[in-house]
Amino acid sequence: NAGVMQNPRHLVRRRGQEARLRCSPMKGHSHVYWYRQLPEEGLKFMVYLQKENIIDESGMPKERFSAEFPKEGPSILRIQQVVRGDSAAYFCASSPRGGYTFGSGTRLTVV
Amino acid sequence: QQQVKQSPQSLIVQKGGISIINCAYENTAFDYFPWYQQFPGKGPALLIAIRPDVSEKKEGRFTISFNKSAKQFSLHIMDSQPGDSATYFCAASRGDKIIFGKGTRLHILP
Repeated sequence: NAGVMQNPRHLVRRRGQEARLRCSPMKGHSHVYWYRQLPEEGLKFMVYLQKENIIDESGMPKERFSAEFPKEGPSILRIQQVVRGDSAAYFCASSPRGGYTFGSGTRLTVV
Repeated sequence: QQQVKQSPQSLIVQKGGISIINCAYENTAFDYFPWYQQFPGKGPALLIAIRPDVSEKKEGRFTISFNKSAKQFSLHIMDSQPGDSATYFCAASRGDKIIFGKGTRLHILP
């Protein structure tokens, strides 16, 4: 039973490019959460999705960021026109309901 | 607004000692309080969790103490080992969204 799979593990983008981060939840988990982690900061909630629905996006920046969890395939966190301040570790977690299991994260570096 | 406040930011403990990390929360609606452990380059992993109807929960060397009236809870690591060196996050939730503290970087001296 594979855990939460995130890819890529490391992603380097130039300013202005797009970043796509993927998350495959654990088998049987229908809830996906995205968090961002900056050095010396905790995990900041970004968005909570269920299949084909965004349940809570209160932590998402209003511009350039979007997330989806389609009926088939992984959840995608998309960052358009990346800036240096987007450099961070992005973690995805999944759950049947509560009791998160986290992936190993994607470390985004914007150069 | 920081809903979960964690201290200290960093902690150094001798091998065999007791590591204590404290957290305080604001929202009395929270009903689930997990602790996560994170090693460098890894995602956080659930360590132990408690609900507010009990004052203490123990799993091996790890104990959560919970004070509902003070809105505080703490993690105690007994007989701390070098392998316990990691970042620890307290958290709180009601329903599906978990709010995390800023983390404590724990270093156990060999």
